[in-house]
Amino acid sequence: DIQMTQSPASLSASLEEIVTITCKASQGIDDYLSWYQQKPGKSPQLLIYDATSLADGVPSRFSGSRSGTQYSLKISRPQVDDSGIYYCLQSYSTPPTFGAGTKLELK
Amino acid sequence: EVQLVETGGGLVQPGKSLKLTCATSGFTFSNAWMDWVRQSPEKQLEWVAQIKDKSNNYATYYAESVKGRFTISRDDSKSSVYLQMNSLKEEDTAIYYCTSILWDYWGQGVMVTVSS
Repeated sequence: DIQMTQSPASLSASLEEIVTITCKASQGIDDYLSWYQQKPGKSPQLLIYDATSLADGVPSRFSGSRSGTQYSLKISRPQVDDSGIYYCLQSYSTPPTFGAGTKLELK
Repeated sequence: EVQLVETGGGLVQPGKSLKLTCATSGFTFSNAWMDWVRQSPEKQLEWVAQIKDKSNNYATYYAESVKGRFTISRDDSKSSVYLQMNSLKEEDTAIYYCTSILWDYWGQGVMVTVSS
């Protein structure tokens, strides 16, 4: 199985910062990488697919990138509503595997 | 409007069985590859199972943690997907989401608690 190592586990950021969350794949995944945001009591919501493509309706302050087998989610000038847990997911091979999640708190 | 509604969750003793149902509407279910994903109380997401469509012979795939105990199935005439869970263990306690990861459709989730 492909392991997705996500960091950090938690993050407290101000509204002026640039927030970066990373996921490192244990092997190449050909950009089959998605990012999800989850709020309490809700199902995960897709933010980014194919590593860099913004899902419909997602604000442009969210962006995705790749360097080697490390994938990053960047939130530029986060809003208070961006608080939640963020997960990466690789769908390159079965079984699809998620990162452990990053809890983001905005202060 | 796309809807996925999971039912069938609840409290069950270890070793017992439970069947989850996901009723869908608003998209061409017969063409969709459907998944079950669960989230532990510690918030870890885990893919559980997938069933492909008729053109892919309804192929099924399972996580190692549930292989041999869980069975995913579908009824295209009812636009529904099912998860039969046997020999349940306490570590199966989770919120179970019906989803099509490929098409990004998710249900609201249903809680399954395995405890004596």
